[in-house]
Amino acid sequence: DAGVIQSPRHEVTEMGQEVTLRCKPISGHDYLFWYRQTMMRGLELLIYFNNNVPIDDSGMPEDRFSAKMPNASFSTLKIQPSEPRDSAVYFCASKGSRGSPLHFGNGTRLTVT
Amino acid sequence: DAKTTQPPSMDCAEGRAANLPCNHSTISGNEYVYWYRQIHSQGPQYIIHGLKNNETNEMASLIITEDRKSSTLILPHATLRDTAVYYCIVRANNNAGNMLTFGGGTRLMVKP
Repeated sequence: DAGVIQSPRHEVTEMGQEVTLRCKPISGHDYLFWYRQTMMRGLELLIYFNNNVPIDDSGMPEDRFSAKMPNASFSTLKIQPSEPRDSAVYFCASKGSRGSPLHFGNGTRLTVT
Repeated sequence: DAKTTQPPSMDCAEGRAANLPCNHSTISGNEYVYWYRQIHSQGPQYIIHGLKNNETNEMASLIITEDRKSSTLILPHATLRDTAVYYCIVRANNNAGNMLTFGGGTRLMVKP
């Protein structure tokens, strides 16, 4: 099992550009989470899906952020337009049935200049 | 989910046991204690979890007090590679949110 796979590992973009982060969860997991980590705010939950359906997006900071999960093996987090304050490490995580632990990917480090 | 309190940092000598405390005095009866760690530049990694009995796996041991208001994660023989931020989280497994809320954690520094 390759674990949760995120791409790209690093992304540098200019303010105003669209950014798309990608995640492949562990096969068979039916929950998928997107987190953001900064020095100031630590790890924050942005949104999570259950069986490809968004369940809670209350952590999404603004309408500039959107997330999709078109199938069980792929999810995207999009920022449009990006701003310097969006610079952070974005983590994707997945889990199986209720009570099982979260498995995290190694994150995407986003820098918006 | 119940709030947890952890010391911000700890040091441990290589080869010695690292004992990381966590206070969760408002824990509810159906809430589990989870431990994760985050090594620099990596995503958080699951370590262990428990409800009320002590638990042990290949990575660590978890000791939960009888009143469940606190717990200790024990790394029996710490190595330099155990240097990381350790997060203690409590949550109910029947929580419809199924979310984990991470606090500040404890930054463990294992020294040679």
